Amino acid sequence: GAVVSQHPSRVICKSGTSVKIECRSLDFQATTMFWYRQFPKKSLMLMATSNEGSKATYEQGVEKDKFLINHASLTLSTLTVTSAHPEDSSFYICSARVGRGNTEAFFGQGTRLTVV
Amino acid sequence: GQNIDQPTEMTATEGAIVQINCTYQTSGFNGLFWYQQHAGEAPTFLSYNVLDGLEEKGRFSSFLSRSKGYSYLLLKELQMKDSASYLCAVTGAGSYQLTFGKGTKLSVIP
Repeated sequence: GAVVSQHPSRVICKSGTSVKIECRSLDFQATTMFWYRQFPKKSLMLMATSNEGSKATYEQGVEKDKFLINHASLTLSTLTVTSAHPEDSSFYICSARVGRGNTEAFFGQGTRLTVV
Repeated sequence: GQNIDQPTEMTATEGAIVQINCTYQTSGFNGLFWYQQHAGEAPTFLSYNVLDGLEEKGRFSSFLSRSKGYSYLLLKELQMKDSASYLCAVTGAGSYQLTFGKGTKLSVIP
Protein backbone atom coordinates (compact mmCIF):
# COMPACT_ATOMS: atom_id res chain seq x y z
CA GLY A 1 0.00 0.00 0.00
CA ALA A 2 0.86 3.66 -0.16
CA VAL A 3 3.18 5.10 2.46
CA VAL A 4 2.51 8.13 4.60
CA SER A 5 5.38 9.26 6.78
CA GLN A 6 4.81 11.42 9.84
CA HIS A 7 7.55 13.09 11.81
CA PRO A 8 8.40 13.33 14.65
CA SER A 9 6.91 10.26 16.31
CA ARG A 10 7.34 11.72 19.77
CA VAL A 11 7.98 15.26 20.96
CA ILE A 12 8.12 16.91 24.35
CA CYS A 13 7.94 20.66 24.49
CA LYS A 14 7.56 23.40 27.07
CA SER A 15 4.35 25.34 27.55
CA GLY A 16 4.22 28.38 25.34
CA THR A 17 6.41 27.00 22.58
CA SER A 18 5.33 25.86 19.12
CA VAL A 19 5.71 22.42 17.61
CA LYS A 20 5.60 21.47 13.95
CA ILE A 21 4.49 18.03 12.78
CA GLU A 22 5.16 16.93 9.21
CA CYS A 23 3.13 14.52 7.14
CA ARG A 24 4.54 13.28 3.84
CA SER A 25 3.12 11.02 1.18
CA LEU A 26 6.18 9.11 0.00
CA ASP A 27 5.06 7.33 -3.13
CA PHE A 28 1.98 9.21 -4.26
CA GLN A 29 0.62 12.72 -4.53
CA ALA A 30 -1.99 13.73 -1.99
CA THR A 31 -4.20 16.64 -2.95
CA THR A 32 -5.96 16.27 0.36
CA MET A 33 -4.65 15.22 3.73
CA PHE A 34 -6.51 14.89 7.00
CA TRP A 35 -5.35 15.66 10.52
CA TYR A 36 -6.77 13.77 13.47
CA ARG A 37 -6.37 13.97 17.19
CA GLN A 38 -6.84 11.03 19.50
CA PHE A 39 -7.34 11.18 23.23
CA PRO A 40 -6.57 8.16 25.43
CA LYS A 41 -9.15 5.42 24.97
CA LYS A 42 -11.09 7.59 22.56
CA SER A 43 -11.55 7.50 18.83
CA LEU A 44 -9.93 9.64 16.19
CA MET A 45 -11.41 13.10 15.95
CA LEU A 46 -11.01 14.90 12.66
CA MET A 47 -9.42 18.29 13.23
CA ALA A 48 -9.06 19.62 9.73
CA THR A 49 -8.83 18.80 6.07
CA SER A 50 -5.66 20.05 4.45
CA ASN A 51 -5.94 21.07 0.81
CA GLU A 52 -2.89 21.57 -1.37
CA GLY A 53 -2.51 25.18 -2.39
CA SER A 54 -5.44 26.50 -0.40
CA LYS A 55 -6.57 27.08 3.15
CA ALA A 56 -7.36 24.15 5.37
CA THR A 57 -10.93 23.41 6.36
CA TYR A 58 -11.28 23.15 10.13
CA GLU A 59 -13.87 21.18 12.03
CA GLN A 60 -16.14 22.96 14.44
CA GLY A 61 -14.44 23.68 17.73
CA VAL A 62 -10.89 23.48 16.38
CA GLU A 63 -8.98 26.74 16.75
CA LYS A 64 -7.41 27.56 13.41
CA ASP A 65 -5.03 30.07 14.95
CA LYS A 66 -3.75 27.49 17.36
CA PHE A 67 -3.45 24.58 14.95
CA LEU A 68 -1.85 26.00 11.84
CA ILE A 69 -1.98 23.79 8.79
CA ASN A 70 0.05 24.30 5.66
CA HIS A 71 -0.15 22.12 2.57
CA ALA A 72 2.44 23.69 0.31
CA SER A 73 3.04 20.73 -1.98
CA LEU A 74 1.31 17.57 -3.14
CA THR A 75 3.44 15.46 -0.83
CA LEU A 76 3.72 17.53 2.34
CA SER A 77 1.31 18.89 4.90
CA THR A 78 2.37 20.37 8.22
CA LEU A 79 0.50 20.93 11.47
CA THR A 80 1.94 23.52 13.84
CA VAL A 81 0.65 23.60 17.39
CA THR A 82 1.26 27.18 18.49
CA SER A 83 1.70 28.37 22.06
CA ALA A 84 1.28 24.82 23.28
CA HIS A 85 -0.40 24.09 26.61
CA PRO A 86 -0.50 20.84 28.59
CA GLU A 87 -4.06 20.23 27.41
CA ASP A 88 -2.71 20.04 23.86
CA SER A 89 -0.88 16.87 24.83
CA SER A 90 -2.31 14.16 22.62
CA PHE A 91 -1.71 11.74 19.76
CA TYR A 92 -1.91 13.48 16.40
CA ILE A 93 -2.28 11.45 13.22
CA CYS A 94 -2.38 12.47 9.59
CA SER A 95 -3.84 10.53 6.71
CA ALA A 96 -4.04 10.79 2.97
CA ARG A 97 -5.90 9.11 0.20
CA VAL A 98 -4.48 7.88 -3.07
CA GLY A 99 -6.07 9.64 -6.01
CA ARG A 100 -9.63 10.83 -5.99
CA GLY A 101 -12.73 8.99 -4.97
CA ASN A 102 -13.53 7.02 -1.87
CA THR A 103 -10.36 4.99 -1.63
CA GLU A 104 -8.81 3.72 1.56
CA ALA A 105 -6.98 6.21 3.69
CA PHE A 106 -3.38 5.59 4.66
CA PHE A 107 -2.20 6.86 7.98
CA GLY A 108 1.06 8.26 9.20
CA GLN A 109 2.69 6.72 12.24
CA GLY A 110 1.27 9.38 14.53
CA THR A 111 2.96 11.92 16.78
CA ARG A 112 2.78 11.72 20.55
CA LEU A 113 2.93 15.31 21.80
CA THR A 114 3.60 15.99 25.45
CA VAL A 115 3.54 19.58 26.67
CA VAL A 116 5.18 20.14 30.03
CA GLY B 1 -24.44 14.72 11.19
CA GLN B 2 -23.08 11.24 11.69
CA ASN B 3 -23.44 8.89 14.63
CA ILE B 4 -21.52 5.64 14.86
CA ASP B 5 -21.94 3.04 17.60
CA GLN B 6 -19.83 0.01 18.38
CA PRO B 7 -19.22 -1.93 21.58
CA THR B 8 -16.50 -0.56 23.81
CA GLU B 9 -14.80 -3.80 24.68
CA MET B 10 -14.92 -7.47 23.78
CA THR B 11 -13.00 -10.53 24.91
CA ALA B 12 -12.55 -13.72 22.92
CA THR B 13 -10.47 -16.88 23.09
CA GLU B 14 -7.52 -17.69 20.87
CA GLY B 15 -8.64 -19.77 17.88
CA ALA B 16 -12.26 -18.67 18.19
CA ILE B 17 -14.42 -16.42 16.01
CA VAL B 18 -15.55 -12.95 17.06
CA GLN B 19 -17.99 -10.53 15.49
CA ILE B 20 -17.72 -6.80 16.11
CA ASN B 21 -20.84 -4.86 15.26
CA CYS B 22 -21.18 -1.28 14.10
CA THR B 23 -24.34 0.71 13.58
CA TYR B 24 -24.38 4.10 11.97
CA GLN B 25 -26.67 6.98 11.22
CA THR B 26 -25.42 9.34 8.57
CA SER B 27 -26.67 12.14 6.39
CA GLY B 28 -25.85 10.30 3.19
CA PHE B 29 -23.52 7.34 2.86
CA ASN B 30 -20.46 6.80 0.73
CA GLY B 31 -18.81 3.74 2.20
CA LEU B 32 -17.78 2.09 5.46
CA PHE B 33 -14.27 1.21 6.53
CA TRP B 34 -12.82 -0.99 9.24
CA TYR B 35 -9.42 -0.21 10.70
CA GLN B 36 -7.25 -1.99 13.24
CA GLN B 37 -5.28 0.07 15.72
CA HIS B 38 -2.73 -1.23 18.20
CA ALA B 39 -2.08 0.95 21.21
CA GLY B 40 0.13 3.91 20.40
CA GLU B 41 0.15 3.17 16.70
CA ALA B 42 -1.67 4.53 13.67
CA PRO B 43 -4.69 2.68 12.29
CA THR B 44 -4.20 0.16 9.52
CA PHE B 45 -6.79 -0.55 6.85
CA LEU B 46 -8.75 -3.79 7.06
CA SER B 47 -11.76 -3.53 4.77
CA TYR B 48 -14.08 -1.31 2.77
CA ASN B 49 -17.77 -1.89 2.01
CA VAL B 50 -19.95 0.33 -0.12
CA LEU B 51 -22.48 -2.26 -1.36
CA ASP B 52 -24.57 -4.66 0.70
CA GLY B 53 -23.06 -8.02 1.39
CA LEU B 54 -20.03 -9.77 2.71
CA GLU B 55 -16.43 -9.00 1.77
CA GLU B 56 -13.96 -11.71 2.73
CA LYS B 57 -10.24 -11.19 3.05
CA GLY B 58 -8.36 -14.02 4.67
CA ARG B 59 -9.26 -14.36 8.33
CA PHE B 60 -11.20 -11.10 8.25
CA SER B 61 -14.61 -10.51 6.71
CA SER B 62 -16.83 -7.45 6.75
CA PHE B 63 -20.55 -7.23 6.15
CA LEU B 64 -22.72 -4.27 5.28
CA SER B 65 -26.47 -3.65 5.23
CA ARG B 66 -27.16 -0.13 4.08
CA SER B 67 -30.90 -0.34 4.74
CA LYS B 68 -30.23 -1.23 8.36
CA GLY B 69 -27.26 1.08 8.83
CA TYR B 70 -25.32 -1.92 10.08
CA SER B 71 -21.96 -3.51 9.56
CA TYR B 72 -19.92 -6.16 11.27
CA LEU B 73 -16.31 -7.26 11.21
CA LEU B 74 -15.76 -10.99 11.58
CA LEU B 75 -12.43 -12.29 12.76
CA LYS B 76 -11.77 -16.01 12.46
CA GLU B 77 -9.07 -18.21 13.99
CA LEU B 78 -8.21 -15.51 16.47
CA GLN B 79 -4.57 -14.98 17.31
CA MET B 80 -3.07 -13.16 20.26
CA LYS B 81 -1.78 -10.46 17.93
CA ASP B 82 -5.37 -9.63 17.01
CA SER B 83 -5.71 -7.93 20.38
CA ALA B 84 -6.24 -4.32 19.33
CA SER B 85 -8.89 -1.68 18.86
CA TYR B 86 -11.12 -2.01 15.81
CA LEU B 87 -12.49 1.20 14.40
CA CYS B 88 -15.57 1.50 12.25
CA ALA B 89 -15.55 4.60 10.04
CA VAL B 90 -17.99 5.99 7.49
CA THR B 91 -17.91 8.61 4.80
CA GLY B 92 -20.95 10.72 4.03
CA ALA B 93 -22.39 11.42 0.61
CA GLY B 94 -20.17 13.68 -1.45
CA SER B 95 -17.47 13.60 1.20
CA TYR B 96 -14.24 11.72 1.60
CA GLN B 97 -13.81 12.58 5.24
CA LEU B 98 -13.79 9.63 7.57
CA THR B 99 -15.89 9.80 10.72
CA PHE B 100 -14.76 7.21 13.23
CA GLY B 101 -16.66 5.33 15.88
CA LYS B 102 -15.11 5.15 19.33
CA GLY B 103 -13.56 1.81 18.55
CA THR B 104 -13.93 -1.65 20.06
CA LYS B 105 -11.06 -2.91 22.18
CA LEU B 106 -10.67 -6.62 21.56
CA SER B 107 -8.74 -8.73 24.00
CA VAL B 108 -7.75 -12.21 22.86
CA ILE B 109 -7.05 -14.59 25.74
CA PRO B 110 -5.36 -18.00 25.65
